[in-house]
Amino acid sequence: GDSVTQMEGPVTLSEEAFLTINCTYTATGYPSLFWYVQYPGEGLQLLLKATKADDKGSNKGFEATYRKETTSFHLEKGSVQVSDSAVYFCALSGGDYKLSFGAGTTVTVRA
Amino acid sequence: EAQVTQNPRYLITVTGKKLTVTCSQNMNHEYMSWYRQDPGLGLRQIYYSMNVEVTDKGDVPEGYKVSRKEKRNFPLILESPSPNQTSLYFCASSSLGTGGRETQYFGPGTRLLVL
Repeated sequence: GDSVTQMEGPVTLSEEAFLTINCTYTATGYPSLFWYVQYPGEGLQLLLKATKADDKGSNKGFEATYRKETTSFHLEKGSVQVSDSAVYFCALSGGDYKLSFGAGTTVTVRA
Repeated sequence: EAQVTQNPRYLITVTGKKLTVTCSQNMNHEYMSWYRQDPGLGLRQIYYSMNVEVTDKGDVPEGYKVSRKEKRNFPLILESPSPNQTSLYFCASSSLGTGGRETQYFGPGTRLLVL
């Protein structure tokens, strides 16, 4: 079945550091890929998505590119802020609307 | 404001006492789903619904029931809760359009503790 593997955390960074969270997936066909973010005490909200190979999703300074050849969708941000502290989830949808999530990566940014 | 609401937000109960967690969305979405979030496991789907009166099991349906009598509401029912159902629960909804490319909108979560 479909599955997502993302790098384990927690990740602790200083402000203005570069952030990368690795995400790889296993799926049949051509899934859509998502990054969701969960701020402390809140529900999940969509950060960005890509629906076909080579698409780049971007939002709030974050970017991720759908790489079919490496089955990856790594999340990057060039300069993080304290407000980026959250749990980040990589997810895929294989066309049946069900989201398959990775385990989540906790990111803490220190001033 | 477009939103998914859940109630209650926090609940402490005892083993075997039936409970219902409500979920409502105001976006006229056809698709609704329940997930549970556990440390190290991410979110796992419990049940989903493609439309009114159409529901189906997700990956971890044991011990749960759902119903979809109205388009906006999708309650999660625990008939006889057990401690292994202690978790953080999320309801989500989306439109049906292009085969899973749609964004799912999540509620704020319900934290359940079963003693």
